[in-house]
Amino acid sequence: EPEVTQTPSHQVTQMGQEVILRCVPISNHLYFYWYRQILGQKVEFLVSFYNNEISEKSEIFDDQFSVERPDGSNFTLKIRSTKLEDSAMYFCASSEGAMGQPQHFGDGTRLSIL
Amino acid sequence: DQQVKQNSPSLSVQEGRISILNCDYTNSMFDYFLWYKKYPAEGPTFLISISSIKDKNEDGRFTVFLNKSAKHLSLHIVPSQPGDSAVYFCAASAVVSSGGSNYKLTFGKGTLLTVNP
Repeated sequence: EPEVTQTPSHQVTQMGQEVILRCVPISNHLYFYWYRQILGQKVEFLVSFYNNEISEKSEIFDDQFSVERPDGSNFTLKIRSTKLEDSAMYFCASSEGAMGQPQHFGDGTRLSIL
Repeated sequence: DQQVKQNSPSLSVQEGRISILNCDYTNSMFDYFLWYKKYPAEGPTFLISISSIKDKNEDGRFTVFLNKSAKHLSLHIVPSQPGDSAVYFCAASAVVSSGGSNYKLTFGKGTLLTVNP
């Protein structure tokens, strides 16, 4: 069964450094998403991406965050200058369509900021 | 943000019996609801969904019921198996009033289901 893959599984970074989290969505999917889950908290929406542009973003997704689809298969989340509070599990998801279509998630990247 | 609430942090059930997981929501604009299962160190796995035009959707051992007037949905697992032990998340999405689509999922906090052999 096709799946969303994320790399790396664990990333440790010094505060203030840039980090790039990578995702390969399911190949025929057109909508892509990033979510995060801080330890002990809910899964929270960050951003959705369709047709090479952001379709929606949350308040969390400030100027320090950016997303890109650099080629036909990868979808990346960049955090420009990491803060301690960016430590979380980051999940990538994709869906075939928008409404009425389930989003399928990767296994996540655990980001630890020191 | 308590738009989607799962009030039971945990549930314990005997193998072969029914598991009922509950979810309440407050946003009347939600019109698509999903259940995900999550094992430790893995991402959420999609289980089953329901559109607001329906009140029931069934897929094998899993049935989701939606009560729009009560803003309540539930997931029934019959019969429960030890491999069903996981955290179950309820999630919802809405169509924004502008006529566009609101793609984001809003999640509950999850319920840890333990199925005992």
